[in-house]
Amino acid sequence: EPEVTQTPSHQVTQMGQEVILRCVPISNHLYFYWYRQILGQKVEFLVSFYNNEISEKSEIFDDQFSVERPDGSNFTLKIRSTKLEDSAMYFCASSELAGRGSGELFFGEGSRLTVL
Amino acid sequence: AQTVTQSQPEMSVQEAETVTLSCTYDTSENNYYLFWYKQPPSRQMILVIRQEAYKQQNATENRFSVNFQKAAKSFSLKISDSQLGDTAMYFCAFLTGNQFYFGTGTSLTVIP
Repeated sequence: EPEVTQTPSHQVTQMGQEVILRCVPISNHLYFYWYRQILGQKVEFLVSFYNNEISEKSEIFDDQFSVERPDGSNFTLKIRSTKLEDSAMYFCASSELAGRGSGELFFGEGSRLTVL
Repeated sequence: AQTVTQSQPEMSVQEAETVTLSCTYDTSENNYYLFWYKQPPSRQMILVIRQEAYKQQNATENRFSVNFQKAAKSFSLKISDSQLGDTAMYFCAFLTGNQFYFGTGTSLTVIP
């Protein structure tokens, strides 16, 4: 069964360092998402991506964050200069359709980021 | 603003018993979708059940069913004949447009 894969599963980094989290969405999916979950808190939307551009982003997704789909298979989230509060589990998700026609997101297992 | 509230951070149930997880939401939208996602320990979230807001009939998927009360903005999940594999974090989620909103989750433990 196709699934969304994420790497690394856990990354520890020093504050101020750049981090890239990688995701391989399901191959026929068109919509890609990043969510994050700070320990003990709810899952929060960061950004959605379609047709090689950001379609929506939340207030959390500031200039420190960027996404790209460099090669048609990977979907990456870059945090330019990490802060302590960026420590969280980051989930990539993809869906075949968006919005009202669909609703099912397929999630990866998550990448745990720890910023020291 | 869209919000999803899960008021039960932790619950437990005896194997083979029934448990209900509660969820309320707030929205001014009339058309939306509601979901329950399950996240087993160290695994990805998977969809358990989905409900379209325009459908009055409650969704069911095998042992999982929902009680959707649109006027009350309530969307509870009932798990019947609980199994050990049901132990997981359960997230209620709301979809409007292209954006999902999640609750804080309920950690369910099924006790043998």
